[in-house]
Amino acid sequence: RKEVEQDPGPFNVPEGATVAFNCTYSNSASQSFFWYRQDCRKEPKLLMSVYSSGNEDGRFTAQLNRASQYISLLIRDSKLSDSATYLCVVGAGSYQLTFGKGTKLSVIP
Amino acid sequence: EAGVVQSPRYKIIEKKQPVAFWCNPISGHNTLYWYLQNLGQGPELLIRYENEEAVDDSQLPKDRFSAERLKGVDSTLKIQPAELGDSAVYLCASSPAWTSGYYEQYFGPGTRLTVT
Repeated sequence: RKEVEQDPGPFNVPEGATVAFNCTYSNSASQSFFWYRQDCRKEPKLLMSVYSSGNEDGRFTAQLNRASQYISLLIRDSKLSDSATYLCVVGAGSYQLTFGKGTKLSVIP
Repeated sequence: EAGVVQSPRYKIIEKKQPVAFWCNPISGHNTLYWYLQNLGQGPELLIRYENEEAVDDSQLPKDRFSAERLKGVDSTLKIQPAELGDSAVYLCASSPAWTSGYYEQYFGPGTRLTVT
């Protein structure tokens, strides 16, 4: 079983749609959780951290379920500019991050 | 504030040739990482430095890969000799000291290596 698994994608959605990405992790000792965004042929950039209580940043909502070892990202009212690959990232120690393969999102006009 | 700088951005070499990548992290970031990213995959850690010390190099293929960060600032990753399977994007990242249980890794633009 891979350490971090994500929906294989790709997701093709119309503008304005709501889309949800799921991620599971295998290491129960994991302590920190993130979603990174990676545009085509660009470097990954932090989108948001994920907290146990859930957190929201504008149109983006992240949820964490430690018991199920499950992380989600919800994007509401999708924009063309949201088209990218979304990487689920799990940290097991102070600096050790494990990246998922990523899920590609294409928002269609 | 300048971001993580990497060079070259692209490199094409023949197999069995050596190649080197350079990274200058964000000023003041003590931790530096080298990642490898294959097409359709997430970044995979090769080595992590705390200042000039390599504190995690367990995933670095030491038979052909080497890295250094002599003065605890910029770093060089070398492959000698390169193999066809080394074709990938090599990403450098840096992060500030661990504070309050939160940190962010800042990535450079990467070096896209093609081995022919």
